[in-house]
Amino acid sequence: SQTIHQWPATLVQPVGSPLSLECTVEGTSNPNLYWYRQAAGRGLQLLFYSVGIGQISSEVPQNLSASRPQDRQFILSSKKLLLSDSGFYLCALDESRKAFFGQGTRLTVV
Amino acid sequence: QKEVEQNSGPLSVPEGAIASLNCTYSDRGSQSFFWYRQYSGKSPELIMSIYSNGDKEDGRFTAQLNKASQYVSLLIRDSQPSDSATYLCAVSETGRRALTFGSGTRLQVQP
Repeated sequence: SQTIHQWPATLVQPVGSPLSLECTVEGTSNPNLYWYRQAAGRGLQLLFYSVGIGQISSEVPQNLSASRPQDRQFILSSKKLLLSDSGFYLCALDESRKAFFGQGTRLTVV
Repeated sequence: QKEVEQNSGPLSVPEGAIASLNCTYSDRGSQSFFWYRQYSGKSPELIMSIYSNGDKEDGRFTAQLNKASQYVSLLIRDSQPSDSATYLCAVSETGRRALTFGSGTRLQVQP
């Protein structure tokens, strides 16, 4: 079965600093991959999805970007973090229209 | 705008009771429906999926789907304190690659 690795688990970053969150998957090839964000007490907001290497679709225009340099690697980045970027970031893959999530990264921007 | 709506709760039930969680959706073309459980500070985990009208049972969980009324529900029988979590409803909407999630219902099972 597939495994999703996300790191780090928690991160505290100052406003204006850069961000790079990495997600790697095992046990599957050519997966559809997603980045979601969950603000405190809120639902899951889709940020980006990717159907293959170099193919990124953005759902919400914002301070973040995503890249997929390899089939099983999905990266979420920011050049300058805002306070509003705080939240729980989740990488997910799609299998038979079901979403499976990694452990998530809790980002606090201070 | 297509939406998935859930009551945020908290829904409080005594141990051993049936917990009933509800979700409505706006896209009539939706075909796949899912329930996720999310413990505090953890990522969501899939617990049920349902694709056709009626009931689907898996252990203590029963998912119910009514496409005509555009609602999907989750029943948890013999609720346990370990069931205390936020339950997210997710819908596969037409024309979207990703699932659309509701904001979740927080369930508290009182010992």
